[in-house]
Amino acid sequence: NAGVTQTPKFQVLKTGQSMTLQCAQDMNHNSMYWYRQDPGMGLRLIYYSASEGTTDKGEVPNGYNVSRLNKREFSLRLESAAPSQTSVYFCASRWGANEQFFGPGTRLTVL
Amino acid sequence: DQQVKQNSPSLSVQEGRISILNCDYTNSMFDYFLWYKKYPAEGPTFLISISSIKDKNEDGRFTVFLNKSAKHLSLHIVPSQPGDSAVYFCAARRNQGGKLIFGQGTELSVKP
Repeated sequence: NAGVTQTPKFQVLKTGQSMTLQCAQDMNHNSMYWYRQDPGMGLRLIYYSASEGTTDKGEVPNGYNVSRLNKREFSLRLESAAPSQTSVYFCASRWGANEQFFGPGTRLTVL
Repeated sequence: DQQVKQNSPSLSVQEGRISILNCDYTNSMFDYFLWYKKYPAEGPTFLISISSIKDKNEDGRFTVFLNKSAKHLSLHIVPSQPGDSAVYFCAARRNQGGKLIFGQGTELSVKP
């Protein structure tokens, strides 16, 4: 039981490049989330998926797209990376009514 | 508009003493509050939570207090241990299954 896994752990991109961050959970959770963490800003919600087949915008969705491929997997895509997207990205899934389980994070640098 | 605020970026305490981490919120519709702990290079992990119908919840060395009239919650760690050194985030939600709003985090350092 691996919980929430994220790939890659680290990534460096040049401005304008695209990439997809992968997230998978093996806990049979319905809801999944993508956050970004920046110094002094806490965790901010980018997109979430309440169930397979649905996705909704969070607090900071601009510049990102998501795909809920199946119940296990929820990917985050940057179509044209910008330096402002340099951040640590966390995927999470929700158990029960409240608690969310987080993955280990992807540290992304955009030059 | 920062609905959940942790005004202290850092806190340093001696091992064995009490650590008190504070969190303020502005939205009176929040009905559930959570604390997460985060070590470097790891994802946040759930620590303790409290419903708005309660004013205290205790789990071992960790106690969360909620003061609804002041829109304030606090996390008490007694006694503090060096392994408690981490960043602590408070979070709030508005309805069951709703999205979580996180504070900025407080970095706790417990010195031996």
